[in-house]
Parts: sequence; C-alpha cells; structure tokens
Amino acid sequence: AQSVTQLGSHVSVSEGALVLLRCNYSSSVPPYLFWYVQYPNQGLQLLLKYTSAATLVKGINGFEAEFKKSETSFHLTKPSAHMSDAAEYFCAVSDLGSTSYDKVIFGPGTSLSVIP
Amino acid sequence: GAVVSQHPSRVICKSGTSVKIECRSLDFQATTMFWYRQFPKQSLMLMATSNEGSKATYEQGVEKDKFLINHASLTLSTLTVTSAHPEDSSFYICSAKDTIGQPQHFGDGTRLSIL
Repeated sequence: AQSVTQLGSHVSVSEGALVLLRCNYSSSVPPYLFWYVQYPNQGLQLLLKYTSAATLVKGINGFEAEFKKSETSFHLTKPSAHMSDAAEYFCAVSDLGSTSYDKVIFGPGTSLSVIP
Repeated sequence: GAVVSQHPSRVICKSGTSVKIECRSLDFQATTMFWYRQFPKQSLMLMATSNEGSKATYEQGVEKDKFLINHASLTLSTLTVTSAHPEDSSFYICSAKDTIGQPQHFGDGTRLSIL
C-alpha cells in the first residue's frame, strides 16, 4: 500500500527565509503527487501537482517541488517566506491500488509558522 | 475554475438530530466526489467515495447507515449524518473531480458540533 510521510509536524521560518517542507512517499510505480495548503477552518487548496512530466514542478504563490525518484521524495520549497504562507501543508499521493487513480492518500501534514 | 461549494459551513445541533451537508461543483461536472473527516491537528481521513448515479464506496470502519451519501447528479453530493452524537463532532470536507488522475478540488468544509 502506498503511504506518505512528512518529516516535521511543525516548521518555523523567519519571514524572507527559505521554506522547505519534506515529503517522502512509498510506491512501487511512479505515482501522482500533490501538495495542498489548508488555512484555518477551510478546505484544501492545490499548490502544485506532479504527474510524470517535468520533475521540477512550479505551483502557485511561488512554491515549487522537485520529484526525486531515487529518494522517493517530493519536497516543497519557496525561496522567501511570507507571513501569509503560515498554514497547514499536506503532501498527497494517488492511490494506484484503486482502479482509477481517484483515491488520494494524504500525509499527516506540516504546520508552517512564519516569524516576522 | 474548478470551484466546489460546501454548505453549511457550520452546524450546531442537539444530539439525535440528523444533519445534511451539501457539496456542489459549480463550474464542472464531478464524476467523483469524496467525503473526508478531519480531527483537530490531524490529516484528512477518507470516509467514502461516490460516483454519480451509483452507491458510495465506504472506507473500512465507516458506518454506512450512520453516514448516508447521495450523489444524484454530476454537480451535487450530500452527506447526511444520521442521529448525530457528540462523537460525530468534527470537520467534514468534500472534494470533487472530473477527470481520472487530475487533482481533487475541495470545498471549504463544514464544522459540525453536536451538543
């Protein structure tokens, strides 16, 4: 079965500093990978997705992620943190065990705090 | 594009009440909709997957008779929590998608509080 791990349940960065949120997945075949952001009391918003095209994926709000098959990683980065980036971030992988790529497995999430 | 509307955003009701939550795809046809439950400071737990016109597929451990899901059209799915009790209090989130392999689009969630 596929799974997703996110190292660090909580990450704090200073405003303007690099943001690095880690995600590792387990899969026997190339998966589809996603990063979502959740603000308090809201649903999830898609930041970016990897679907077997370019390994470096650019998303919204200045975020990007790099798919590294050898490391089974899909870490999320942003060069310069902004106060508005403070939120919960979820890495997710498509469940190839399902017949239609529909089911997605979410990681436990990483809470990002931005210090002024 | 790809907007999902979830209503209501918050519900407070007495124990024993049944509560219906609606999930609508506003600008696309959702062939598949998902219902999640999220506890505080935790990730999303998939409850069930529904495809338009067919019965929902529930995840292991989710009571079908407790959480009734209807996906009668390509733009609407409903989750009814029957005879709700305090332990059913949670944040419920729906999502929808139109194409296999494409990401899900999420509603803003419903905060359910059972007194």
